[in-house]
Amino acid sequence: AQTVTQSQPEMSVQEAETVTLSCTYDTSESNYYLFWYKQPPSRQMILVIRQEAYKQQNATENRFSVNFQKAAKSFSLKISDSQLGDTAMYFCAFRLSYNTDKLIFGTGTRLQVFP
Amino acid sequence: EPEVTQTPSHQVTQMGQEVILRCVPISNHLYFYWYRQILGQKVEFLVSFYNNEISEKSEIFDDQFSVERPDGSNFTLKIRSTKLEDSAMYFCASSEIFGVAQNMKSSYNEQFFGPGTRLTVL
Repeated sequence: AQTVTQSQPEMSVQEAETVTLSCTYDTSESNYYLFWYKQPPSRQMILVIRQEAYKQQNATENRFSVNFQKAAKSFSLKISDSQLGDTAMYFCAFRLSYNTDKLIFGTGTRLQVFP
Repeated sequence: EPEVTQTPSHQVTQMGQEVILRCVPISNHLYFYWYRQILGQKVEFLVSFYNNEISEKSEIFDDQFSVERPDGSNFTLKIRSTKLEDSAMYFCASSEIFGVAQNMKSSYNEQFFGPGTRLTVL
C-alpha cells in the first residue's frame, strides 16, 4: 500500500522569501505520479505541479519547483518569491501510473505568507 | 474557466438520516470521483465513476454509500443512514480522460476538484 506523509502541519514565510514544504511517500512501485495541490481558504483544490517518477528532471512551474529524490522517496515543494496569494493549504499526493486514478493524499501543510 | 461545483456548501443532518451531496462536473469530463476529509485527517479516496458504473472504490465506500449520475450534468453521492463518523468535508472531482497503461506509463489526466460540502452529522 502507498502512503504519503507531510510532517509540517503549519509553515509561515515572509512575502518575497522562499519556503520549502516537505513530503515523503512510500511505495514499492516504480511508475507513479506525484503532485502538489493548493487549497486557498474556502476555495477548491487546484493542481500546482506534478512529477512523473520516470523523469529525473525536477518539475518547475514558474515560482514553484520540486525536489524529487526517488531513492529517498522524497518530494518537496519550493515556493520562490512568496506572495500573499500563496497562503493556502498544500497537499502532497501520489498516484500510480496505471490501472487507477486514485489519488493518495498527505495530511496537508498550512502555509501562511506574511507581508 | 470551467469549474466543478458542489451543493450544498454545508449540510447538517441527524444521525440515521439520508443525505445526498450534489456535484456538477466540468461539462466535457467523463470521469468522476468522490473524496472525503475528516477534520484533521487526510483526504481519502472514496470512489471513481465512469460510463454509469463504479470504476474503483475504497474500503470506506461500503453499502451505505452510493453514487449516481441522474442526468447529463449532476453527479451525486448518497449516504443512506448517516453516522457520526460520516462528518467530513466531501470533495467531488472530475477528469477528462482516464490514465491508460501504455508501456507501464499512463496518459496523465488532471482531476479538477470542487470546493467541497461540509457534512455535519449530529
